Amino acid sequence: EIVLTQSPGTLSLSPGERATLSCRASQSVSSSYLAWYQQKPGQAPRLLIYGASSRATGIPDRFSGSGSGTDFTLTISRLEPEDFAVYYCQQYGSSASLTFGGGTKVEIK
Amino acid sequence: EVQLVQSGAEVKKPGESLKISCKGSGYSFTSYWIGWVRQMPGKGLEWMGIIYPGDSDTRYSPSFQGQVTISADKSISTAYLQWSSLKASDTAMYYCVRHVRLWPFDYWGQGTLVTVSS
Repeated sequence: EIVLTQSPGTLSLSPGERATLSCRASQSVSSSYLAWYQQKPGQAPRLLIYGASSRATGIPDRFSGSGSGTDFTLTISRLEPEDFAVYYCQQYGSSASLTFGGGTKVEIK
Repeated sequence: EVQLVQSGAEVKKPGESLKISCKGSGYSFTSYWIGWVRQMPGKGLEWMGIIYPGDSDTRYSPSFQGQVTISADKSISTAYLQWSSLKASDTAMYYCVRHVRLWPFDYWGQGTLVTVSS
């Protein structure tokens, strides 16, 4: 089973700053089947990025994903107040194992 | 419009059984997998397992194999997650999700909060 490790655990930034979140896999994620989700308090997660770098429908272009193999990154170019949330990565290359990372909380500094 | 609507919050005692549900609408229920995701209080997301309602093919995360049972009734477009004997450690929010092979979880239910306490 692929283990996903996210870092940092918490990122303290101000609105307008750039956020860089990391997701590292214990083995290569096939064909970049890597997704990112955003979860706000009291809400279900929502899909942000799939295929490591493609934005889901309706996701602003300040969100971007990159990476391949075992190292992936989610970048938020300029943080808006509504972007302060918890972010999870997930690999979905096999329907027998659809693991999530532990999450990164982006909080207001 | 695709929707996954889950059953309401539950409060149970340790040792009791429970079955929660997730009803899909707005798409072909038998053509997509339905998965379940656990989120314990203040913690992250954990994938529990998935079922393909078309033929009831079911896959479990090793962490949840034997701990829960996932099932589906395609005649009423509903998937289920059940426990035979709840523990306090089963207290969590449970989400159902829609999944297709080699695609992430694009739709999520609103969540069902399960509280197990004596």
